[in-house]
Amino acid sequence: EVQLVQSGGGLVQPGGSLRLSCAASGFSVSSNYLSWVRQAPGKGLEWVSVLYSGGTTYYSASVKGRFTISRDTSRNTLYLQMNNLRQDDTAEYYCTRNLAYEAYDLWGQGTMVAVSS
Amino acid sequence: EIVLTQSPGTLSLSPGERATLSCRASQSVDSSFIAWYQKKPGRPPRLLISEASTRATGIPDRFSGSGSGTDFTLTISRLEPEDFAVYYCQQRRNFGQGTNLEIK
Repeated sequence: EVQLVQSGGGLVQPGGSLRLSCAASGFSVSSNYLSWVRQAPGKGLEWVSVLYSGGTTYYSASVKGRFTISRDTSRNTLYLQMNNLRQDDTAEYYCTRNLAYEAYDLWGQGTMVAVSS
Repeated sequence: EIVLTQSPGTLSLSPGERATLSCRASQSVDSSFIAWYQKKPGRPPRLLISEASTRATGIPDRFSGSGSGTDFTLTISRLEPEDFAVYYCQQRRNFGQGTNLEIK
C-alpha cells in the first residue's frame, strides 16, 4: 500500500527541539519530491519545507535557519528536525508527496507539535 | 509573493445544491500549478483537483475545477452530506485561507 506514516511530535518548551519522522511505503523517498505542510489551531494550511529528489531543499521564511528537512533512503523515511521552537510553531504537521506541478497527492496522518512553557 | 484569496469565507448550502467556490490570485499564475483540497477535522487534506481542472484519483465527477489567469473555481455539482468541509486552493507553496462549506 502506498502511504506515509508519521511519528514524533508532542509537547516541547520554547527553544526546544523535536524531530518528526515520516515513513514511506509503496514508493521511494529518493525519487520523489516530499514536503512538510502545517496547520496551526484554527488556521489554514501553511507550506513549511520541500526536499527535491536531487537533494535540493527549500524552507518558508518563518522556519528557515531553524528547521531542517532530510531523508534516509535506507529507511525510506523523511524527517523534519525542528530546533529553537517557538509558540507560533504549534501546529499539526503533515508530510506530503508532491505530484508534478507541486500538488500534494499523498499525505501522512499528521502529528501534533505543541510549543508551550 | 502571490496571495490567494478564497471566497466566500463560509458557504451555507443544502445537500443536493450546487456549490461554487472561488480562488483569486493576486497576479496571473500558470494554471498548471492550481490545486484544490478538502479538509475535514482530524483528517489530512485530500487532493481533489490538480492542474486547475484534473480530478485526482478516486474523486467523484461531481467535483470539477476551472479557471485561468487570476480566477479559479471549484464546483460541486450536487452536494452530498460528506462534502461539507473546508476547501483550500493552492498555487505552488501558497494556500488560500479556505472556504468553509457548511450545511444550511
